[in-house]
Formats: sequence, structure tokens, C-alpha cells
Amino acid sequence: EPEVTQTPSHQVTQMGQEVILRCVPISNHLYFYWYRQILGQKVEFLVSFYNNEISEKSEIFDDQFSVERPDGSNFTLKIRSTKLEDSAMYFCASSSQRAGIGLSNEKLFFGSGTQLSVL
Amino acid sequence: GDSVTQMEGPVTLSEEAFLTINCTYTATGYPSLFWYVQYPGEGLQLLLKATKADDKGSNKGFEATYRKETTSFHLEKGSVQVSDSAVYFCALSLIRGLTDSSASKIIFGSGTRLSIRP
Repeated sequence: EPEVTQTPSHQVTQMGQEVILRCVPISNHLYFYWYRQILGQKVEFLVSFYNNEISEKSEIFDDQFSVERPDGSNFTLKIRSTKLEDSAMYFCASSSQRAGIGLSNEKLFFGSGTQLSVL
Repeated sequence: GDSVTQMEGPVTLSEEAFLTINCTYTATGYPSLFWYVQYPGEGLQLLLKATKADDKGSNKGFEATYRKETTSFHLEKGSVQVSDSAVYFCALSLIRGLTDSSASKIIFGSGTRLSIRP
């Protein structure tokens, strides 16, 4: 089965540094997402992306965050100046259909995540 | 706002025991409901789904029925195996708009860690 790949699997950075988390979604998918999970807490929605623009973002996704699909295959999440509270597992996901419309083949495919540790 | 509440873990059972993981939701409108599973070292995988009231999703021996009257989507399995040890997430998604650009999001519960003893 096709899969979403994320790199790196672990990223350690100093507070205030910029990080870029990389994702390669499934090749024919059109909708892309970033989620994060702080240790012991819920998986939280960050942002969805379609047709080269942000479709929806949560209150977590402030000006420190940005997403980009630079070359038609990669989908990146950039955190401009990391804070301690950004430490979390970050999941990328993609789908061929818009989530939430109740189609029988509606499905998000998730990557295995990038564990970000901000020191 | 829209939310999902699921049974806190960890849950530890013996092999072949009956499993129930409770999940209830709050949503405006008519959500689709999902159970995702995360095996150790892997990403989230869709386990099963239901898109309207009274639908039953099923996969790998797991079942969940969309109960609109109780706003619930409890996960059940009649006889668990060691290989079922994982974290299980209940989730919902809602239509946000009529155009393709209004892609919606999936809202997850906090996850329930399940450990099965041989």
C-alpha cells in the first residue's frame, strides 16, 4: 500500500531555532494536513492545504508556523523560532478526497511522525 | 465546540478477552466517525469508519456502531490478540463547506493505550 513518509524521525533543536519538518505525501493525493501530539495529550489539527494554499488552520498555527509544497512532491512544515512548548510528535497526512464529506473512500493516510524536541 | 471524548487508558487485557473502548462525541451537524490505530513506531492508520447514524464499521474483528441518540461510537472486539496492542484513537470529521477548497479536519480523542497479555 502507498505510504506517507516523513523525515527526520527525530529532530532535536535549541529554543529559538528554525526547523523544517518534511513530508512526502502519496503521489496522487490532493489534500494535505499537519497534526501534532504533545506527549500524553490529544492529536491536534494544525493546518490543511489544498491547491497550493491553506484551507484551514487552527489557533495553534500562528505566525511562527508556515507550510509549503515547494516542488509538487514534498510538503513541509516550518517553525520559524521554536519554543519549548513546540516539543511534540508531528504527523503529516494526505488524502485523495476532502475529509468530512462522508464518501465511502474518504481516508487520511498518516506518516509515522517526526518527534521534535526543543531544548 | 466539536470534540471527542474517549475512555482513558491504559487498558490491559488477557488474550481472548472481550474489548470495549468507549467513545462519545459532541458535534454540530452530522459527523463521520472513525477509529484510528497507532502500532508502536508507526503512524496512524484508519481502522474503521461510519458515515451516518446506525452504520456499523468493522475491520480485523473490530466493530463500532454510530449511535446518534447517545452520540457514541464505542469500539468492540470479541476476542483480542497480542497483536492488537496499540493506541486507539476515536475521531470525527465534519463538512465545513461546499467547495473543494474548504477541506475539513479530523478531530481526535486523546487515545487509549491497549496492552494484551499472552
